[in-house]
Amino acid sequence: SQTIHQWPATLVQPVGSPLSLECTVEGTSNPNLYWYRQAAGRGLQLLFYSVGIGQISSEVPQNLSASRPQDRQFILSSKKLLLSDSGFYLCAWRGRLGYEQYFGPGTRLTVT
Amino acid sequence: EDKVVQSPLSLVVHEGDTVTLNCSYEVTNFRSLLWYKQEKKAPTFLFMLTSSGIEKKSGRLSSILDKKELFSILNITATQTGDSAVYLCAATPRDNYGQNFVFGPGTRLSVLP
Repeated sequence: SQTIHQWPATLVQPVGSPLSLECTVEGTSNPNLYWYRQAAGRGLQLLFYSVGIGQISSEVPQNLSASRPQDRQFILSSKKLLLSDSGFYLCAWRGRLGYEQYFGPGTRLTVT
Repeated sequence: EDKVVQSPLSLVVHEGDTVTLNCSYEVTNFRSLLWYKQEKKAPTFLFMLTSSGIEKKSGRLSSILDKKELFSILNITATQTGDSAVYLCAATPRDNYGQNFVFGPGTRLSVLP
């Protein structure tokens, strides 16, 4: 069966510091991968999606970036965090044949 | 602009009550509507609905889609405290990569003992 991992689970970072969040998927090949952000009390906002190694599409202009160095690894990064980057970051995957997206456990980021 | 609206945004009930959560959508070239349950962390998949009028059921949860009126409902019967969560609705168009999932803000359900 497929599993999706994210780490760290929680993170507190000062403004201006860099960020690296990692997501890995097991038990599937060539998944579509997604990064979402969920601000408190709000819906999920799609940040990036990837259909393959090295292929990244950005949905929202911002100071975040994403990379997919391996088939089942998706990384969210920032060079300098802003206060507004605080939120709950979720990674999700979708198989080639299905339409459902399945979510990882999430990383709660607080920028101070 | 594509959008999904959920109502109510918040709901408090007692164990044993039946609740109905609403989701309406406006999505270009609509394909499917999905329901998720989010407790403390990641949303977990509940249902995907593609055809109108066909009820999907899982235990005490059921859902149905009306593609003419552009809405879906999620019913929970005989609620339990473990049903307390945020219920998210998402609509997706026909596309290749799933990048256009549009999520609603969620309904926060609190079930009191």
